[in-house]
Amino acid sequence: GAVVSQHPSRVICKSGTSVKIECRSLDFQATTMFWYRQFPKQSLMLMATSNEGSKATYEQGVEKDKFLINHASLTLSTLTVTSAHPEDSSFYICSARDDQRNEQFFGPGTRLTVL
Amino acid sequence: EDQVTQSPEALRLQEGESSSLNCSYTVSGLRGLFWYRQDPGKGPEFLFTLYSAGEEKEKERLKATLTKKESFLHITAPKPEDSATYLCAVQAWDGGYNKLIFGAGTRLAVHP
Repeated sequence: GAVVSQHPSRVICKSGTSVKIECRSLDFQATTMFWYRQFPKQSLMLMATSNEGSKATYEQGVEKDKFLINHASLTLSTLTVTSAHPEDSSFYICSARDDQRNEQFFGPGTRLTVL
Repeated sequence: EDQVTQSPEALRLQEGESSSLNCSYTVSGLRGLFWYRQDPGKGPEFLFTLYSAGEEKEKERLKATLTKKESFLHITAPKPEDSATYLCAVQAWDGGYNKLIFGAGTRLAVHP
């Protein structure tokens, strides 16, 4: 089956620092990847859609300069939370769409805690 | 406005007690309806994709069906390991790309 990995799985950082999260599709190519945020007992909220080789498309209300997305290859997208603050603490999940079939697979998520 | 509503919000079943989860949707130009399972602290796990009314798909104790307005996830003789949050999402075209719109999920607890 299709596998999407995320790294790190858990990160704790001090307020004001930047954190980078990697998302990789391990056995398929993904022109399009997605970044979601999930609060406890709530559903997934789409933050942005990234397409390989072009700028990400951000959802309304998501700060582009706060959440930097790079999709440099067909198997890797990164999300950088810049100058993180406690309110950025959340569960971040990436997803990749398999180019060969219309199915979207999710990574295991990254738990970010900002102190 | 594209919208996905799941019911019930939470469901408690006894082991072996079959039931159904509902996902109703309004979307302009449905390109697919997806079901996922999510365990606490983990990412969603893909279950099914349905594309057209009348379509059905099965996997072990799960069966997903689709009409023009809603989808059902039927769970037959559930076991405790089926306990999870089940998410429904519709794929919509949004000015140049596809994106998934998720419902709030149904938290299923199966007790022995």
